[in-house]
Amino acid sequence: SSELTQDPAMSVALGQTVTITCQGDSLRNYYANWYQQKAGQAPILVFHGKNIRPSGIPDRFSGSSSRDTASLTIAGAQAEDEADYYCNSRDNSDDHLVFGGGTKLTVL
Amino acid sequence: QLQLKESGPGLVRPSETLSLTCTVSGGSITSSASYWGWVRQPPGKGLQWIGTVYYPGGTYYSPSLKTRLTLSLDTARSQFSLKLNSVTAADTAVYYCARQSLAAPGTPFDYWGQGILVTVSS
Repeated sequence: SSELTQDPAMSVALGQTVTITCQGDSLRNYYANWYQQKAGQAPILVFHGKNIRPSGIPDRFSGSSSRDTASLTIAGAQAEDEADYYCNSRDNSDDHLVFGGGTKLTVL
Repeated sequence: QLQLKESGPGLVRPSETLSLTCTVSGGSITSSASYWGWVRQPPGKGLQWIGTVYYPGGTYYSPSLKTRLTLSLDTARSQFSLKLNSVTAADTAVYYCARQSLAAPGTPFDYWGQGILVTVSS
């Protein structure tokens, strides 16, 4: 089965831009979805498909992809963006799903 | 607004069966545009996909769990369920149920339950 690789931790200064990446062979064929999870809470979907931001998600969140890597960019990070971020996608070999290991984002 | 809520015991003894139910409200569990999934998160760790069930009863299971796992639907009660047998301490986690939207690009999990902590301990 495929795997999705994320940097375990990143930091960004308040108001600056940060890009979180997700790398995996299955991303050559399938879109990545992105979830934000704050401490003690369930994940919420923040970006999915080629370029879709769910209703209620601030427009500072955007996504992109190239070859085997998907990216989530937060332009002008706010204190409330401090959270864990996970990507997920379909597995390349079958109808299974896979999550990345998650990136802990700290806003300084 | 679709809502999902997990229920079940918070403590399961080793070697026994973990059973959880997710109740769906505000939408139809028989919708052809929805799959129903389970995701777990061990304490301090990341998200792990467990499996997916869809009407009228098709399933996809994580390869690492498929020998111990059964997912099912109860359309009369608008519920879907998880049974994981022969549990060990490694199955201790917060278990989430979630809706996977087939109509959305990427087929993301767009609605999640609040999660339920299940501890495996004697």
